[in-house]
Amino acid sequence: NAGVTQTPKFQVLKTGQSMTLQCAQDMNHEYMSWYRQDPGMGLRLIHYSVGAGITDQGEVPNGYNVSRSTTEDFPLRLLSAAPSQTSVYFCASTLQTNTEAFFGQGTRLTVV
Amino acid sequence: SQQGEEDPQALSIQEGENATMNCSYKTSINNLQWYRQNSGRGLVHLILIRSNEREKHSGRLRVTLDTSKKSSSLLITASRAADTASYFCATDPSGGATNKLIFGTGTLLAVQP
Repeated sequence: NAGVTQTPKFQVLKTGQSMTLQCAQDMNHEYMSWYRQDPGMGLRLIHYSVGAGITDQGEVPNGYNVSRSTTEDFPLRLLSAAPSQTSVYFCASTLQTNTEAFFGQGTRLTVV
Repeated sequence: SQQGEEDPQALSIQEGENATMNCSYKTSINNLQWYRQNSGRGLVHLILIRSNEREKHSGRLRVTLDTSKKSSSLLITASRAADTASYFCATDPSGGATNKLIFGTGTLLAVQP
C-alpha cells in the first residue's frame, strides 16, 4: 500500500495562475482532508470530505475548491493563486471517525 | 482559530532526558490525538486517547488527559536524537461526528546528542 500520495512535491506559480494539487489514497478511507501549514501557525483545515460526493469547508476555505468524485481521490484546486497561498499543503485520510489520520508527504507551493 | 495550544513552543533537552509537552483545547472532545512531524515531512500519528481514558502508554510515550481542565500532556521518556521533531495535538471539535481534526501550533523538540 502506498498510503496517501500527494503530487507534485514542489510547485512555483505566478500570481493569478490556477492549479490542482492531487491527493490519492489506496486504503479505502472514507474521510479525507486538506490542510495548509504556515510557520508558527500549525496546520489549518481548508476543506474536508466524509465520503465520495460530500465535501465541506474547514477553517480557511477561501480561494480553494475541492471535489470528491471517487473514494480514492481528493484534489484541491487553487482558482487564482495569490502570494498569501504560499504554504505547505498536506492531504490526510481517515478510515472512520475517532481514528488516526494518515498524512501525505506534502506539497510545497510558492506563489510569486 | 486553533482548537489546541501546545506548551512550550520549543524545548531543548539532552539525550536520555525526559521531554514533557502540554496541550490545551477549547471544546468537548471524543478523543485527543498526538502527532509527530519530522522536518520537511508529513505528520505521523503517535497515540490516540479517548475522553473516558486518563492515561495511555505506547512504548516510551505516555499521554495523560484531563477533560475537566481541557488539557493533555505527552511525555517522552529516555529521549533520543531521533525524537527531534515537532509534536502536535489534535482534536475534533464536532465530538467525533466528522473527524475534521483541528491542530495546535506545536512544540518543537530538539534532543541534543
